[in-house]
Amino acid sequence: DAMVIQNPRYQVTQFGKPVTLSCSQTLNHNVMYWYQQKSSQAPKLLFHYYDKDFNNEADTPDNFQSRRPNTSFCFLDIRSPGLGDAAMYLCATSTRGRGPNTEAFFGQGTRLTVV
Amino acid sequence: AQSVTQLGSHVSVSEGALVLLRCNYSSSVPPYLFWYVQYPNQGLQLLLKYTTGATLVKGINGFEAEFKKSETSFHLTKPSAHMSDAAEYFCAVSRLGGYALNFGKGTSLLVTP
Repeated sequence: DAMVIQNPRYQVTQFGKPVTLSCSQTLNHNVMYWYQQKSSQAPKLLFHYYDKDFNNEADTPDNFQSRRPNTSFCFLDIRSPGLGDAAMYLCATSTRGRGPNTEAFFGQGTRLTVV
Repeated sequence: AQSVTQLGSHVSVSEGALVLLRCNYSSSVPPYLFWYVQYPNQGLQLLLKYTTGATLVKGINGFEAEFKKSETSFHLTKPSAHMSDAAEYFCAVSRLGGYALNFGKGTSLLVTP
């Protein structure tokens, strides 16, 4: 089945140690998103790619970066994780060009713990 | 800016009772609205979406929502709750000029026997 896959599902990292979360998709969608969801809160968009065009949210900390080497893969890099970065990170995809009523497809998420 | 407000962070219903989860939107143009469900430690799954046209939208798992422009609302309903409906529900709106979603704060649905 076509889907969005996030690895790993659970990630534990040390305070200040760089960590990378990965996302892959078989939907061939041209838009990929990264959302941060803290406990009992709504998902918050960090950035998104439309093809290779990177769009950063104004309030996304510089500590967060992303790479999209090809259509299928997208990575979230956290350069120096702090305790406040512990959250669920959600990758999503959608197809631009079919209108803004096109839904986003989400992966299962990666739960990041910072120790 | 496009935004949604979900009324009630927690809703509790008995199994078999009506489920009503409230969502109001703020939009300067006709909005594109969505309801997603999230089970513990899972991603978000689309329940239904509103496009132009029919104001009553049917989704998966017996859920439906009605778009009411006069009330700027898009409430989610289900006639009879099941234990398996216990989850977090998010209302969302497409951003103006883009395709990312702005989410509401979510409503946690508890279903009691």
